[in-house]
Amino acid sequence: GQQLNQSPQSMFIQEGEDVSMNCTSSSIFNTWLWYKQDPGEGPVLLIALYKAGELTSNGRLTAQFGITRKDSFLNISASIPSDVGIYFCAGQLPSGSRLTFGEGTQLTVNP
Amino acid sequence: DGGITQSPKYLFRKEGQNVTLSCEQNLNHDAMYWYRQDPGQGLRLIYYSQIVNDFQKGDIAEGYSVSREKKESFPLTVTSAQKNPTAFYLCASSIVGGASPLHFGNGTRLTVT
Repeated sequence: GQQLNQSPQSMFIQEGEDVSMNCTSSSIFNTWLWYKQDPGEGPVLLIALYKAGELTSNGRLTAQFGITRKDSFLNISASIPSDVGIYFCAGQLPSGSRLTFGEGTQLTVNP
Repeated sequence: DGGITQSPKYLFRKEGQNVTLSCEQNLNHDAMYWYRQDPGQGLRLIYYSQIVNDFQKGDIAEGYSVSREKKESFPLTVTSAQKNPTAFYLCASSIVGGASPLHFGNGTRLTVT
């Protein structure tokens, strides 16, 4: 199936630092979604993007749908310990097929 | 509150036994999905269903079976044919059509020894 390249695979940061992660693909996507998964729980939707160039914020989180429609990034500002978890991107092709997930970015925040 | 309920949270089985994982949703979603997650890896789609009494194989369907007799329920059976069944299993649901975000349950961790 389609692949999404998500990077970095893991990040170790200090509390208060900003974080940036991204997803890229060789295919064009119609939708980009960003999820967060706490340990032992299911992923929770953070931000949904539906239009190329769209920039959307949710509190300290900001995500953008790349102009080329082949990428998306997620920024977290002023990180706090509860930001720890795995962040997944997911994309949907124009054909309306099921979502494709990236492999996740494991975020660790040191107090 | 609407949501997706997976049970049990932890499941232990002996090798060679079939085991069924439960997934129930009260979101009135037509589509339901099963994903498998292994440590350090992303989500891999096992099966999905967009309507009652119909379902499709995902990317890793071998060794698994599902049924969709009711809109609210989409149980997953891990059969003895699944060579490496120990994993974290996630159920999700969504509306059908358009760009529909998935809503996930809290997962079942299956350990087979």
